[in-house]
Amino acid sequence: NAGVTQTPKFRVLKTGQSMTLLCAQDMNHEYMYWYRQDPGMGLRLIHYSVGEGTTAKGEVPDGYNVSRLKKQNFLLGLESAAPSQTSVYFCASADSNQPQHFGDGTRLSIL
Amino acid sequence: GQQLNQSPQSMFIQEGEDVSMNCTSSSIFNTWLWYKQDPGEGPVLLIALYKAGELTSNGRLTAQFGITRKDSFLNISASIPSDVGIYFCAGQVILGSARQLTFGSGTQLTVLP
Repeated sequence: NAGVTQTPKFRVLKTGQSMTLLCAQDMNHEYMYWYRQDPGMGLRLIHYSVGEGTTAKGEVPDGYNVSRLKKQNFLLGLESAAPSQTSVYFCASADSNQPQHFGDGTRLSIL
Repeated sequence: GQQLNQSPQSMFIQEGEDVSMNCTSSSIFNTWLWYKQDPGEGPVLLIALYKAGELTSNGRLTAQFGITRKDSFLNISASIPSDVGIYFCAGQVILGSARQLTFGSGTQLTVLP
């Protein structure tokens, strides 16, 4: 999945802690997305961005915030982590007329 | 929100056999995409379909965009061990300037030697 890099790859948090997941893409894509993937389910959209300085809510935005201060970066924040946020998080980016390209994911466990 | 019904949930096949999986929806999509996900990795695009009725091949993979725009199928011919993984369909709609994907729940494919 060259082009979309997610950090960290793994993280364990305690309930109530905060953290930020970073997504970086080097393809000059306008659109960026954050998804979560839970067992037996497809990816669900949390938030997305159609350009630098813009963000919008997806299907499951509650408990998350995002920022797109630079075109190449899309940050996903958890202000107060909850066990229900244990999941694998995927970032994706795309050009306006092209399919989304995904990173390799961040595996997050909330104890 | 929109939902995709992907079937089957899992498949066990012998190496060399052909495979077919499909997705249906109650909503219309502008684009259908098929992704494959290997363990510990993100989804990788296999085939993108942009027109109703479109039939597209990528090597041993063939996919079609249903004429009603509410369904799509993926066929894999002459399966090999490296075909093992989870296959996801995704329907795309355009909302304003954004393109949003709705994913199926995936088909877990196991290829037996």
